[in-house]
Order: sequence, then C-alpha cells, then structure tokens
Amino acid sequence: DGGITQSPKYLFRKEGQNVTLSCEQNLNHDAMYWYRQDPGQGLRLIYYSQIVNDFQKGDIAEGYSVSREKKESFPLTVTSAQKNPTAFYLCASGVSGGSSYNEQFFGPGTRLTVL
Amino acid sequence: KNQVEQSPQSLIILEGKNCTLQCNYTVSPFSNLRWYKQDTGRGPVSLTIMTFSENTKSNGRYTATLDADTKQSSLHITASQLSDSASYICVPSAQGAQKLVFGQGTRLTINP
Repeated sequence: DGGITQSPKYLFRKEGQNVTLSCEQNLNHDAMYWYRQDPGQGLRLIYYSQIVNDFQKGDIAEGYSVSREKKESFPLTVTSAQKNPTAFYLCASGVSGGSSYNEQFFGPGTRLTVL
Repeated sequence: KNQVEQSPQSLIILEGKNCTLQCNYTVSPFSNLRWYKQDTGRGPVSLTIMTFSENTKSNGRYTATLDADTKQSSLHITASQLSDSASYICVPSAQGAQKLVFGQGTRLTINP
C-alpha cells in the first residue's frame, strides 16, 4: 500500500446521506485518482487530479464530487445522487506528466455499503 | 467495447503447479502493458511493466510475455504458492493516455 492511506476501511451509509472517503499520500505525487471496483468488473475511474486545485471527471463521475486543496489529500464525496454506491473504492497516486508508463500506487481501499 | 479481455475469469490450481493467465487488448497506439496483483480487499500492486520493444520480463516466479503484433500478453506463475491466491489484472496503455484501462482480472486460487 506504500505511502497511501484510505479511511475508513469499512463504511456504512443510509440511503440519502452523503459520505466522504479520505485519501492521503506522502509520496510527493502530483497526480491522484479515485476508482470504483465492483465484483467481476475492472476498476473504473471516477475522478482524477494532475495537480493541486485542478481535477477532471473520469468515466463514472455522476453522483460523486472531489476536491484537491492540498497535494497530499484527495477526498471523495459520494452524494445521494449516486444511485448504486455500494462498492469498493480505491485511491491511487502517481507521478504526473500524462505518461501512462508512470506507475500508479494504490491505497488499501474503502468498502462502502449502503443500508 | 472492451479494450481488455482477460482469461480465464477464474482458475483453481494446486500448490506447486504452474499456470498461465491471458490478456488480449486493443488499445492503440500501444505504449506499455502492466500486470497488477490484487489481494482480496486490498489495493492492486504492480508486478511487471513491458513496453513495445520488450517481449518478456520476469519478477521472481512471475514471468510476463508480450506479443505486440497480436496484441496479447500472458502472465506465467511458476511453482505456485498459497500467497499467489489473488486477482491478476492486465492494464494496457495507449501512448499519451492519462487514464488507465483495467481488465476485469483473473481470480486465481491456490489450494494446498
């Protein structure tokens, strides 16, 4: 898991509630990413940020929001607009520059369950 | 359209046996291909990365091969151990791509 931490490990939420997942890294990486993983499917990109105070939508951004006020932190908010939020959420960081050769380092993940 | 197809979806073998996992991809123009190992409930960890000019790369008991002409890659595991039980994910990347495309993974189970 390197220098990336995610909290909490498990999270339970009632329908209609917003919830924020934490992601912190001490690798001095410019780029950070949020992915969602569902059983039997590949990781899908929610949002990514190449630099502080800037972020872009990924492939499944609807119902999610992010902020990047600090280089080390990239929190993800799952809003009530996300219709099927139960999933395993993974945060990653890497060197920026637009090169896919640069490895992405993943955190341990947060499993979100909507009750 | 899936840009990455991995097979088999799942595989069960006995400890000590070898196995090979397959990955077919369509990303273009090709830049590199990375294999990740993901233990259950954990984040993926990179095993190997290969560029266009490389057709094989090893990391301990893991050996990845790449055929850029047929757009196929394989991951061979030698003398499997119980700790090899995990999902193995193929990630081919196009030149200039800022986003990665992840395969759905092969779920490998090693039985004693």
